[in-house]
Amino acid sequence: SQTIHQWPATLVQPVGSPLSLECTVEGTSNPNLYWYRQAAGRGLQLLFYSVGIGQISSEVPQNLSASRPQDRQFILSSKKLLLSDSGFYLCAWSLGDRGPYEQYFGPGTRLTVT
Amino acid sequence: AQSVAQPEDQVNVAEGNPLTVKCTYSVSGNPYLFWYVQYPNRGLQFLLKYITGDNLVKGSYGFEAEFNKSQTSFHLKKPSALVSDSALYFCAVRVVDTGRRALTFGSGTRLQVQP
Repeated sequence: SQTIHQWPATLVQPVGSPLSLECTVEGTSNPNLYWYRQAAGRGLQLLFYSVGIGQISSEVPQNLSASRPQDRQFILSSKKLLLSDSGFYLCAWSLGDRGPYEQYFGPGTRLTVT
Repeated sequence: AQSVAQPEDQVNVAEGNPLTVKCTYSVSGNPYLFWYVQYPNRGLQFLLKYITGDNLVKGSYGFEAEFNKSQTSFHLKKPSALVSDSALYFCAVRVVDTGRRALTFGSGTRLQVQP
């Protein structure tokens, strides 16, 4: 069966510091991968998605970036965090073609920028 | 562009009563529709999806949803609510046959089931 991992679970970082959040998927190959941010326990904002290694689509211009160095690894980064980057970050995966496939979410990372 | 509306921020229902969480969508083309549930400080869990065919879709934990093309709705239902159903529910849509594989989510509806 497939499993998705995210770490760390919680993170407190000062403004201006760098960020690296990691997501890995087990039990499948060539998945589509996604990063979402959820603010104030409500709606999800799609940040990035990837259909393959090195292929990243950005949905919202911001000071975040994403990379996919391996098939089942997705990394969310920032060089300098802003207060507005605080939120709950969720990684998700789905099967890797155009089919009607649901996304499966990781447990999330709670980021607080102070 | 595609969008999803969940008109109710919160739904309150007594345990044992039927529940409905509303969702309407707007897409150019045919939709794939999904429902997810989120418990506090957790990721989203997939409940059910509509692809094509029977308008009534059954999913996990006794939930079902009815696709209504004329009303562009996909309401989530359960015949008898449990206190443990209290959580945040999200509806999501994706357009068939497009290169965009990401889902568009609604703003969420908080379900509160009272004992």
